[in-house]
Amino acid sequence: ETGVTQTPRHLVMGMTNKKSLKCEQHLGHNAMYWYKQSAKKPLELMFVYSLEERVENNSVPSRFSPECPNSSHLFLHLHTLQPEDSALYLCASSQDYQNGYTFGSGTRLTVV
Amino acid sequence: GESVGLHLPTLSVQEGDNSIINCAYSNSASDYFIWYKQESGKGPQFIIDIRSNMDKRQGQRVTVLLNKTVKHLSLQIAATQPGDSAVYFCAENRGTSYGKLTFGQGTILTVHP
Repeated sequence: ETGVTQTPRHLVMGMTNKKSLKCEQHLGHNAMYWYKQSAKKPLELMFVYSLEERVENNSVPSRFSPECPNSSHLFLHLHTLQPEDSALYLCASSQDYQNGYTFGSGTRLTVV
Repeated sequence: GESVGLHLPTLSVQEGDNSIINCAYSNSASDYFIWYKQESGKGPQFIIDIRSNMDKRQGQRVTVLLNKTVKHLSLQIAATQPGDSAVYFCAENRGTSYGKLTFGQGTILTVHP
């Protein structure tokens, strides 16, 4: 297990459901990220939090709502998703922006 | 627009051979580069990084080469093993704030025993 833990590992949800993805980092990093990974596409940045403050919102639809209650935890709240939102959602953390990111194992989301 | 891209989407090698995975970048202002490895069912794992003031950096069985003149990055894996089979991404840091790390599409490396 890496220093970034994501739960659940797999999630199947209907389009009318509400669910949340959780990420926790044990590395003492000061920034956390949500990425979307779809088949045959580069990683897409969704949100960035630095010291619990959102510093980037990459034109993500409002059906995705992030929350960062403290520097170790990051959530992604999901509601009324579409089938095209099915993907691997990756959480990452870093210490400052000049350094590499440590990724979690991701949540495989399927919207039915 | 500017992007990070990989020359080869797939690479097949025999166990014990050396592997070279290439990456082209177009932003001359990028100052930091990283290679990640992603195995099936896992998140990307940091392999090695290099800053723009260096041309070469070595790790355990891996070497990253940076050619700023032609904006080219490569990852060399020595004595490739079946456990090296994965998707390899390069990433470049394009800015001086958070969230500026841009990832390439990835190269699938398959190592045959």
